[in-house]
Amino acid sequence: NAGVTQTPKFQVLKTGQSMTLQCAQDMNHNSMYWYRQDPGMGLRLIYYSASEGTTDKGEVPNGYNVSRLNKREFSLRLESAAPSQTSVYFCASSYTGNQPQHFGDGTRLSIL
Amino acid sequence: EDQVTQSPEALRLQEGESSSLNCSYTVSGLRGLFWYRQDPGKGPEFLFTLYSAGEEKEKERLKATLTKKESFLHITAPKPEDSATYLCAVQANQAGTALIFGKGTTLSVSS
Repeated sequence: NAGVTQTPKFQVLKTGQSMTLQCAQDMNHNSMYWYRQDPGMGLRLIYYSASEGTTDKGEVPNGYNVSRLNKREFSLRLESAAPSQTSVYFCASSYTGNQPQHFGDGTRLSIL
Repeated sequence: EDQVTQSPEALRLQEGESSSLNCSYTVSGLRGLFWYRQDPGKGPEFLFTLYSAGEEKEKERLKATLTKKESFLHITAPKPEDSATYLCAVQANQAGTALIFGKGTTLSVSS
């Protein structure tokens, strides 16, 4: 029962470096999401994919790109990392957009 | 603007001391309200979904209720293992599939 798996769990980058965060789900869910969680703030949606082949911007998309590789996998890319992108990133999935979202355990990303 | 406010920010209880967490929301048409539990270093774990005013859901020592403006998470006779951050999120009719999260209530239960 893996659910939503995120890799890596921890990463330290230098400003300007690029990085791809990976997410895979084994629940046959159609919708997938990327959030960031910062101290004192709620989870904020970066991008989501309502179904395979589609992606849409969320509340805070600037500086990020996503790829829905197939039904199982949804990746988040930072092209040129900035210190403001230091955060904990969570991937989530749901069967449809109206169903509860199930989260992975996050990637803790520090950008120096 | 769609908004979710949770109170209190932090709550300390003795084992067995029942209490309630509040989630007030303003959205342009509520599609659903979700409660999650988050342990340190982990992702949010789904607890409940509520769709309409008057609806209630229960799971062990937790009971969630919904009105037109707020939701309560009642914790009856809590145990130390109930210590966690509880997150509330709403889905609005006009927001597609996006969830709007509150900042959470951190609950500490001591024995």
